[in-house]
Amino acid sequence: GENVEQHPSTLSVQEGDSAVIKCTYSDSASNYFPWYKQELGKRPQLIIDIRSNVGEKKDQRIAVTLNKTAKHFSLHITETQPEDSAVYFCAAEKGGGYNKLIFGAGTRLAVHP
Amino acid sequence: KAGVTQTPRYLIKTRGQQVTLSCSPISGHRSVSWYQQTPGQGLQFLFEYFSETQRNKGNFPGRFSGRQFSNSRSEMNVSTLELGDSALYLCASSLIGENTEAFFGQGTRLTVV
Repeated sequence: GENVEQHPSTLSVQEGDSAVIKCTYSDSASNYFPWYKQELGKRPQLIIDIRSNVGEKKDQRIAVTLNKTAKHFSLHITETQPEDSAVYFCAAEKGGGYNKLIFGAGTRLAVHP
Repeated sequence: KAGVTQTPRYLIKTRGQQVTLSCSPISGHRSVSWYQQTPGQGLQFLFEYFSETQRNKGNFPGRFSGRQFSNSRSEMNVSTLELGDSALYLCASSLIGENTEAFFGQGTRLTVV
């Protein structure tokens, strides 16, 4: 079946600390794994994505790692800031395309000054 | 370039009524997907349209339907509304092909009373 598990559901860190969110997917044919940030009352916005032909991707303070063998991928945020506070969703694209994303349940990140 | 536009932003309907939501994708994007977002179930895939054809459908009852027009604009319809249909309905547009970014609209907040 199609399933993405995301942990933790809530995460509280001090400003400047790192935050790590982990996801596991079930569809071995998935090749695209985006991460979305959703602030309260706003639309989900892509912050970083990774395709299965790479194991790691970095964009400033954000990095994503992918282990296709274990079907795991993770989001790493370093030097967290209060504006990083939001709900983060991982997703896996259903194998075969058709632009169908299977989302994790979300992680509510709170960064305290 | 204008983003994904959804109308209306808010709707209040009574049980048993039907509702139609609209989505205008980013210019040049021909794939439109719909998602239901609720606090309990997260982001759930409803269906995806390309070239006026539904290519993929999620696990929702037949009361949920959609269509796409020749200009790629899409509508979704929910008939015989139930209280549990109260949710944020998000549409996302993408270029065609695997591993392409999905851009979300602001969503339509539907409340069924």
